[in-house]
Amino acid sequence: EAGVAQSPRYKIIEKRQSVAFWCNPISGHATLYWYQQILGQGPKLLIQFQNNGVVDDSQLPKDRFSAERLKGVDSTLKIQPAKLEDSAVYLCASSLAGEQFFGPGTRLTVL
Amino acid sequence: QQQVKQSPQSLIVQKGGISIINCAYENTAFDYFPWYQQFPGKGPALLIAIRPDVSEKKEGRFTISFNKSAKQFSLHIMDSQPGDSATYFCAASFTYNTDKLIFGTGTRLQVFP
Repeated sequence: EAGVAQSPRYKIIEKRQSVAFWCNPISGHATLYWYQQILGQGPKLLIQFQNNGVVDDSQLPKDRFSAERLKGVDSTLKIQPAKLEDSAVYLCASSLAGEQFFGPGTRLTVL
Repeated sequence: QQQVKQSPQSLIVQKGGISIINCAYENTAFDYFPWYQQFPGKGPALLIAIRPDVSEKKEGRFTISFNKSAKQFSLHIMDSQPGDSATYFCAASFTYNTDKLIFGTGTRLQVFP
């Protein structure tokens, strides 16, 4: 089965610009997660969707970050405006019941 | 209280040796302890996991040892191979929300031939 797809793989922007990441989960997986992985740290959950509804967004900086999962399949994560400290790898994961499967991530560099 | 502390930060092991990575937690509400393996440019992948009702779980060359009273758990990689070179993350999640994984800071393992 195909894995979790993410695009773009790399993105370089200047601070105060906006950026969007896309995720296509494994077919049939109802739960989708977005994580932020800063260099040298473990992934930190930003937001969790169950189908197209938000389950947990307690650690999402809502003043600049937004995410949506229209139709309960694909998802986009947006940052507007970006700050230097947003430089990280943004991982998308999906699960059906239990194990989370991660995509390759999008490496964001904010200059 | 939601932290998972992981050590060492990096580890260099000779081929055939034993790699040991340790994690500690504070919150006794944690009920599920997985280990993830991450290769450069890839997302983390589940390696092995344990629940606190057992003290050890073994899958091939990988073993989790769990000490509930000490609130510690560790990953042992026996007969380490160069292909095991990766970053390893321990994690924990709660009984009431097994989806919410709290990750450790990671250990970069390098296995030299």
